Amino acid sequence: GAGVSQSPSNKVTEKGKDVELRCDPISGHTALYWYRQSLGQGLEFLIYFQGNSAPDKSGLPSDRFSAERTGGSVSTLTIQRTQQEDSAVYLCASSSRGAGGSSYNEQFFGPGTRLTVL
Amino acid sequence: GDSVTQMEGPVTLSEEAFLTINCTYTATGYPSLFWYVQYPGEGLQLLLKATKADDKGSNKGFEATYRKETTSFHLEKGSVQVSDSAVYFCALSKNYGGATNKLIFGTGTLLAVQP
Repeated sequence: GAGVSQSPSNKVTEKGKDVELRCDPISGHTALYWYRQSLGQGLEFLIYFQGNSAPDKSGLPSDRFSAERTGGSVSTLTIQRTQQEDSAVYLCASSSRGAGGSSYNEQFFGPGTRLTVL
Repeated sequence: GDSVTQMEGPVTLSEEAFLTINCTYTATGYPSLFWYVQYPGEGLQLLLKATKADDKGSNKGFEATYRKETTSFHLEKGSVQVSDSAVYFCALSKNYGGATNKLIFGTGTLLAVQP
């Protein structure tokens, strides 16, 4: 597609349920990032994928959070046993590799998934 | 660790007023600096960037200069319009271990421009 897409756009769930959030990056972008935007914490980095591997998971807040990427494309962020503090907008971004292959270009963001945990 | 601090909002201006949103950073090494904008109901968009000291990023009448001596990247616009009303985020990025170019964001500044 023309840009990064995310689904669902809105998700309301009950405390304790598991949720899956999906991200479709721009075709050909090898780098994929998940961020979280919440009132209390602002915009926080969660995890970074290079291809299908995740060399940086340092932003995942707990072991209830996990993510995978398949085929170097679609990524899924899973939150198990959701808590009210997980309520936030989850943003996905992708970027292409820069000249020389040692860095990455601008990150393009999707519209986000607004998660509400009741 | 690395961090970004930007001025608290909201900032309320009249149309055609001069805008400054302050941003300072703390980082080791040589980060790249960015301003992102989030219009109401829309996703984050890159507004401008600067990749090394003394570079000036500019776009849509906005500009910011990478000042290493003051560790700052203040956003300016000479004459704001109602359509500039949005949340503005200052951010930095650098090559962390594992080649992560993750973005570290400031808290965001809401700009409201009144006609």
